[in-house]
Amino acid sequence: GAVVSQHPSRVICKSGTSVKIECRSLDFQATTMFWYRQFPKQSLMLMATSNEGSKATYEQGVEKDKFLINHASLTLSTLTVTSAHPEDSSFYICSALPLTGGNEKLFFGSGTQLSVL
Amino acid sequence: DAKTTQPPSMDCAEGRAANLPCNHSTISGNEYVYWYRQIHSQGPQYIIHGLKNNETNEMASLIITEDRKSSTLILPHATLRDTAVYYCIVRVVGNEKLTFGTGTRLTIIP
Repeated sequence: GAVVSQHPSRVICKSGTSVKIECRSLDFQATTMFWYRQFPKQSLMLMATSNEGSKATYEQGVEKDKFLINHASLTLSTLTVTSAHPEDSSFYICSALPLTGGNEKLFFGSGTQLSVL
Repeated sequence: DAKTTQPPSMDCAEGRAANLPCNHSTISGNEYVYWYRQIHSQGPQYIIHGLKNNETNEMASLIITEDRKSSTLILPHATLRDTAVYYCIVRVVGNEKLTFGTGTRLTIIP
């Protein structure tokens, strides 16, 4: 099956610093990638839709200046949490939609656990 | 995307079939039924999807009622590794995004 690699799997940072999370589709190309956030014991919440070569589309209530998304190639999207604060501590998950295959399946990365001290 | 309703939790004995129900009474004609599962601290894993016919793959079977207002995911011989949160999602192919509900926490009992 298609593989989506997400890195790092876990990161701890100090309040006020920025953290970059990478999402790569290893064996397929993806024009569209999605970023989700998941708090403990809650479901996944879509943060933004990332399209290769264009600006990301953010869901209502998600600050675009705080969560910077770059989708510079068909296999890589990055999420940068700027000036992180403890309330940004969460599980961040990316998913990718293959360019071919009829848009039927989304494949997910293994997630990044962010802890802001 | 249409809303789905799932029981919050279920238990199943190891080796038995696990039957997970999902109601999607407002599903539209062009919406597919998708099932994903999430094992603790991992990303969701695709299981199966279908439009109106029953589907089977190496992981599970999907039974969709004739009126398409509900469906059942069947794990034929549950193992301890099947313990996870199972999400039933309806989605228009080409609409791209997946909107997750609260899912069913399935616990396989030894």
